[in-house]
Amino acid sequence: DQQVKQNSPSLSVQEGRISILNCDYTNSMFDYFLWYKKYPAEGPTFLISISSIKDKNEDGRFTVFLNKSAKHLSLHIVPSQPGDSAVYFCAAANNNDMRFGAGTRLTVKP
Amino acid sequence: ETGVTQTPRHLVMGMTNKKSLKCEQHLGHNAMYWYKQSAKKPLELMFVYSLEERVENNSVPSRFSPECPNSSHLFLHLHTLQPEDSALYLCASSQDRYQPYEQYFGPGTRLTVT
Repeated sequence: DQQVKQNSPSLSVQEGRISILNCDYTNSMFDYFLWYKKYPAEGPTFLISISSIKDKNEDGRFTVFLNKSAKHLSLHIVPSQPGDSAVYFCAAANNNDMRFGAGTRLTVKP
Repeated sequence: ETGVTQTPRHLVMGMTNKKSLKCEQHLGHNAMYWYKQSAKKPLELMFVYSLEERVENNSVPSRFSPECPNSSHLFLHLHTLQPEDSALYLCASSQDRYQPYEQYFGPGTRLTVT
């Protein structure tokens, strides 16, 4: 069963605009959520995370929002830059499990 | 070397071959993981090792055999694979098994089974 879903396989955004990547999860026992970024020929790298006790976490151009009642999280990138073009994976975790989504390929056009 | 390294980066093997993937982490972590990434699918957790002891095996076929000789090294031994096993195999590590939140990934081995 797919406990973490990223329903948009791809997203294209103009440079300078906002990118919004979405993620849904089904298991309410998850209490920590992460976003990873993956460039071609490289492994995923940790980008930003949020605990279930918060609804927002911001780090520079990256902000993650968590809506626990909807079991939904999103990653906002503003302003988007061409170097942000990559595949973004969301993940949901608790003390003994972590599940990943299938990823969303973001393309930021100059 | 820093972080998590994997060798080889690319591997092509026939269905009757035996090969091994190697992962090494230089982060002093206690937990290591093998994942399989197939196109357009979520990362699939295959095996988890904590302090060299296998703690999780997610219904992986026996043609995949992991080995963790010490906390810095992890191997995945492959034999009689099928074409559908072609994928990117990623190794990761984290400080502790029960804090898997931030895992550090290697670059992966792109495996093609012919």
